[in-house]
Amino acid sequence: GAGVSQTPSNKVTEKGKYVELRCDPISGHTALYWYRQSLGQGPEFLIYFQGTGAADDSGLPNDRFFAVRPEGSVSTLKIQRTERGDSAVYLCASSLTGTVGVYEQYFGPGTRLTVT
Amino acid sequence: AQTVTQSQPEMSVQEAETVTLSCTYDTSESDYYLFWYKQPPSRQMILVIRQEAYKQQNATENRFSVNFQKAAKSFSLKISDSQLGDAAMYFCAYRVLATLFKTSYDKVIFGPGTSLSVIP
Repeated sequence: GAGVSQTPSNKVTEKGKYVELRCDPISGHTALYWYRQSLGQGPEFLIYFQGTGAADDSGLPNDRFFAVRPEGSVSTLKIQRTERGDSAVYLCASSLTGTVGVYEQYFGPGTRLTVT
Repeated sequence: AQTVTQSQPEMSVQEAETVTLSCTYDTSESDYYLFWYKQPPSRQMILVIRQEAYKQQNATENRFSVNFQKAAKSFSLKISDSQLGDAAMYFCAYRVLATLFKTSYDKVIFGPGTSLSVIP
């Protein structure tokens, strides 16, 4: 079946603008995660959704960042008043959830955001 | 604090040879999971191997194996019979999940990565 998809693949925006990044998880996956990967670094956790609700948003760097998942499937990461430091690859992952063990996170190809 | 350290920013290996990538982590949790991910230039993060902390036996997946030393908080990856397609960034990662009352958390902490080159 289809994997995790993210759109757009690349996004260039001007400093101060608003951007939305979209993630389509694997069908049936109840958990969804957003990560940010700056150049030359490993991914950094941003937020974790279980169904429609944000179970853990402790990784969001400040109140300019917000994410939603209104129907428990597609998620949108929203960044207001973008800054050059927001330039990074934004990765999305999804997984099944259960009471026994842990399920693999499947990652999308990411959206490369460049703020000029 | 939960941290993952990869002390080798870059490594290279001759095709068909063996290479070991190092990883150490720091956590106060007793139950967690460790992973090695591969990220080629396409940016797609691919799971290579996983290890449950409660298992003493080292995980193995074909040419990939780990040396898990829980007391030392060390989790190295050995790639045997290296192939050109193994060239990529490799990330060591630590995952902890918990549900406390009505709050749950599930996050993966990644190391900074090791860039592996395979020499023909």
